[in-house]
Amino acid sequence: AQSVTQLDSQVPVFEEAPVELRCNYSSSVSVYLFWYVQYPNQGLQLLLKYLSGSTLVESINGFEAEFNKSQTSFHLRKPSVHISDTAEYFCAVSVKNRDDKIIFGKGTRLHILP
Amino acid sequence: KAGVTQTPRYLIKTRGQQVTLSCSPISGHRSVSWYQQTPGQGLQFLFEYFSETQRNKGNFPGRFSGRQFSNSRSEMNVSTLELGDSALYLCASSLAGPMNTEAFFGQGTRLTVV
Repeated sequence: AQSVTQLDSQVPVFEEAPVELRCNYSSSVSVYLFWYVQYPNQGLQLLLKYLSGSTLVESINGFEAEFNKSQTSFHLRKPSVHISDTAEYFCAVSVKNRDDKIIFGKGTRLHILP
Repeated sequence: KAGVTQTPRYLIKTRGQQVTLSCSPISGHRSVSWYQQTPGQGLQFLFEYFSETQRNKGNFPGRFSGRQFSNSRSEMNVSTLELGDSALYLCASSLAGPMNTEAFFGQGTRLTVV
């Protein structure tokens, strides 16, 4: 069975500093990988996804994530965070070519410090 | 196209009562999943429905149930409410085929049990 681990439940970081949110997954088969973001009082929104091809994927607001198959990781990074990035971030995995649910990690709350 | 719609947005119930939440998925999506989100436990998977059948189930007591109609709309029901059922309940829809590559979330129903 697949699983997702987000080791950090909360990450505080100063504004304009870089950040990395860690995500590791467990699967014996090929997977799709996702990062979702949840702003206060809202549902989850897709931030970026890895389906195939280039292992580095980017979002429109400056986040990027790299698929590392050997380390089974999909860490999310941003070189310079803004106060508007305050949110909870969820890593997720689904199995390629299988009708199955998408499995989410427990989430990492990003706190931007002024 | 219209997004995922959850109704109602907010709900207050008394212990021992029962509640029904509704979710209308994106047109064409056949899979609907339900999640419970609390500050302590994070995002927890309740169940997934596909073509009116429960396909996956999380680790929740039998008081939590759901169903899906022929138009893919889904309802979840919680009977004999407990204080610990207070949470944000999120619904997500997806295509749920070999191209199941993304889940789209509603804004959630905030349930408060008093």
